Amino acid sequence: GAVVSQHPSWVICKSGTSVKIECRSLDFQATTMFWYRQFPKQSLMLMATSNEGSKATYEQGVEKDKFLINHASLTLSTLTVTSAHPEDSSFYICSARDENQPQHFGDGTRLSIL
Amino acid sequence: DQQVKQNSPSLSVQEGRISILNCDYTNSMFDYFLWYKKYPAEGPTFLISISSIKDKNEDGRFTVFLNKSAKHLSLHIVPSQPGDSAVYFCAASALGPIQGAQKLVFGQGTRLTINP
Repeated sequence: GAVVSQHPSWVICKSGTSVKIECRSLDFQATTMFWYRQFPKQSLMLMATSNEGSKATYEQGVEKDKFLINHASLTLSTLTVTSAHPEDSSFYICSARDENQPQHFGDGTRLSIL
Repeated sequence: DQQVKQNSPSLSVQEGRISILNCDYTNSMFDYFLWYKKYPAEGPTFLISISSIKDKNEDGRFTVFLNKSAKHLSLHIVPSQPGDSAVYFCAASALGPIQGAQKLVFGQGTRLTINP
């Protein structure tokens, strides 16, 4: 089945640091990748949708300059949390899909900002 | 505004019995629904989906039922097995399985525990 790899799985860093999270589709070409955020005991909330070679589409309330998304190839998308602060601590998870397929998810990244 | 709701945060079922997980939605534009299963420290795994043109879809031990008039769907697992213990998320989208799968709205999840 479709495999999506997300790295790193856990990050702890100081406030003000920028953190980059990678999302790779390992055995298929992902026409679209998605980035979600999940707070404890809440549902996955879509942050942005990215298509290879074009700018990401951000959901309402998500700061574009805070959460930089790059989708340079059909198998790789990155999310950079710039100048991270404690309120950015959360579980970030990506998904990817090829046409006519459901979204397949990575294992997520737990981000803790001290 | 929670458009997709899973009102039961947890459910406990005896092994071999039927597990029924429920999901309600409010947006009448939703026409494609999915169930995902999530183990701790792993990403959600796609289980089964249903389009609004159907009221039932079955795949092995998993069956999803859709009641459009009630804006309700349910996932039935029978017989339940210990490996089914996980968090189950329902998700919904508009614009059908192709375009609609571009944007999913998730419920809060239900933690299913299968007791031996």
